Amino acid sequence: AQSVSQHNHHVILSEAASLELGCNYSYGGTVNLFWYVQYPGQHLQLLLKYFSGDPLVKGIKGFEAEFIKSKFSFNLRKPSVQWSDTAEYFCAVNGDNQGGKLIFGQGTELSVKP
Amino acid sequence: DAGVTQSPTHLIKTRGQQVTLRCSPKSGHDTVSWYQQALGQGPQFIFQYYEEEERQRGNFPDRFSGHQFPNYSSELNVNALWLGDSALYLCASSLGGGSDTQYFGPGTRLTVL
Repeated sequence: AQSVSQHNHHVILSEAASLELGCNYSYGGTVNLFWYVQYPGQHLQLLLKYFSGDPLVKGIKGFEAEFIKSKFSFNLRKPSVQWSDTAEYFCAVNGDNQGGKLIFGQGTELSVKP
Repeated sequence: DAGVTQSPTHLIKTRGQQVTLRCSPKSGHDTVSWYQQALGQGPQFIFQYYEEEERQRGNFPDRFSGHQFPNYSSELNVNALWLGDSALYLCASSLGGGSDTQYFGPGTRLTVL
């Protein structure tokens, strides 16, 4: 069955530290990949997405993610985090025969210390 | 440009009752998907509606049903509520009934006592 794994459940960083959140998926076909962010008290917002083309995609607020097909991974990165990046981050996958069904990982809570 | 809206914001029900949650999609969108997000978990796909029909369904029992109206808004109905149904219910809208990017609403927090 299709699944998404986010290995880091809670990450604590100081401001200006670099961030990398892991995301691995299991699915044999073509995938669309997403990262969503949920800031405290707010709803899920799209951070970035990959459908095809350049496997390095850039999103809002300085985030980027790299799709590595051979590793079934779509890790999220940011060179220098800010206190305002404190939020929960979700990786999601949509398989090519899954219609509109998004499969989410269980999320990574990021806490950035000022 | 209005985003996805959901009502009500919060709801408290008792076991065995029925509940209806509502969603209005983002302007210009014609597809609505529903997700259940339990505490500490990622959202789980319930079903997707397009052209007033259920197009795809996740692993949820028949107690969960839905409807889409001609104006693309949607309802999620849950019958015979039990404690495990307590969760945040999210609505997402997109275009074209397929795998286009989904935009989420703020959710309805359902508590079953």
